[in-house]
Amino acid sequence: GAGVSQTPSNKVTEKGKYVELRCDPISGHTALYWYRQSLGQGPEFLIYFQGTGAADDSGLPNDRFFAVRPEGSVSTLKIQRTERGDSAVYLCASIGNTGELFFGEGSRLTVL
Amino acid sequence: KQEVTQIPAALSVPEGENLVLNCSFTDSAIYNLQWFRQDPGKGLTSLLLIQSSQREQTSGRLNASLDKSSGRSTLYIAASQPGDSATYLCAPQVWNNAGNMLTFGGGTRLMVKP
Repeated sequence: GAGVSQTPSNKVTEKGKYVELRCDPISGHTALYWYRQSLGQGPEFLIYFQGTGAADDSGLPNDRFFAVRPEGSVSTLKIQRTERGDSAVYLCASIGNTGELFFGEGSRLTVL
Repeated sequence: KQEVTQIPAALSVPEGENLVLNCSFTDSAIYNLQWFRQDPGKGLTSLLLIQSSQREQTSGRLNASLDKSSGRSTLYIAASQPGDSATYLCAPQVWNNAGNMLTFGGGTRLMVKP
């Protein structure tokens, strides 16, 4: 596609529920990133994919968070047993040949 | 671990002023540095990418400089306009064993008043 696409744009869920957030990167970009942004702060790194594999998942806060990219294109961030502290904007980005990152519009997650 | 600081955290100026936004980072072994703009409730829009071998990049009224050895970058905005109001984020990139890693500063929230 022309840009990085993220769905849903907004997700409201109850504490304890399971959530999936989807990212469709720019066509041909092999590297994909997930970041999390809380209100008034800069984005914080979660996980980085090179192709199908997670090259660096050191930013995932705990084992309730998991991400996959089975075919090296679309990625899904999965959050189990959501907590109120998980409320944030989840940003996805893919990287071009020059090293420039292109971000999607984000998925705003609210856990009640 | 890379730490990125942006000063000032917030800035309010009248239209027409020339502005300087500062970014400092602790790990100077960077691959490149990228400046982004973020409007409220939106994603990040790339403004400028400076490769580590470059000292500056220009796009329209924006100019970004990079002093890699001192761990600093500056975003200069000429003749500011109300439409420039947004949060500006810098993100130096380093290569680690996993690949290309970006670390963000907390941003500078800019308000340009008509």
